[in-house]
Amino acid sequence: NAGVTQTPKFQVLKTGQSMTLQCAQDMNHEYMSWYRQDPGMGLRLIHYSVGAGITDQGEVPNGYNVSRSTTEDFPLRLLSAAPSQTSVYFCASSSQLAGVGNEQFFGPGTRLTVL
Amino acid sequence: GQQVMQIPQYQHVQEGEDFTTYCNSSTTLSNIQWYKQRPGGHPVFLIQLVKSGEVKKQKRLTFQFGEAKKNSSLHITATQTTDVGTYFCLKTSYDKVIFGPGTSLSVIP
Repeated sequence: NAGVTQTPKFQVLKTGQSMTLQCAQDMNHEYMSWYRQDPGMGLRLIHYSVGAGITDQGEVPNGYNVSRSTTEDFPLRLLSAAPSQTSVYFCASSSQLAGVGNEQFFGPGTRLTVL
Repeated sequence: GQQVMQIPQYQHVQEGEDFTTYCNSSTTLSNIQWYKQRPGGHPVFLIQLVKSGEVKKQKRLTFQFGEAKKNSSLHITATQTTDVGTYFCLKTSYDKVIFGPGTSLSVIP
């Protein structure tokens, strides 16, 4: 199993450009989520999904869109990149959300710079 | 309301000294998890605590869940340079996963 994969690993964008960060997992996990990590801010939840066809907003959703057409994939779209979106982005998945056994598995991250 | 607090934010220790980080919630937790993130890496699951007063050990790491299930601690005995990183606690609230802000540990050889 590859676990959680993310592409690209690094990306530089110009202000106003759009792009999609890819995330895939091969563990048949229902729950997937996107975080951004900034120095001194910990991990902040952007969007999450409890299953295919279901998504919801996290703590910092503005400027980002997600969709979940399959169990495996959960792409994150930046509609019009801004310098404030410079960050490290992590995708994570787990077999279930609440209760015992909901270990979060993280991808390696995408380091995004917006100029 | 749903936030999780961690203290301290940073800790610098001499190699061989002990280290403790604390995680506090204003609401009762159903369970709490701890993660470690090495510099430049991604968070990796360490352990989950479920029962009130639970204590679990992993070699030099001791994890404790408070009796009221509102706080937790991670204690490292005799730190080593391999312990460097940021330690996060995590709680689940309804359908959201909430991370604490983390404690960054530096170990001076």
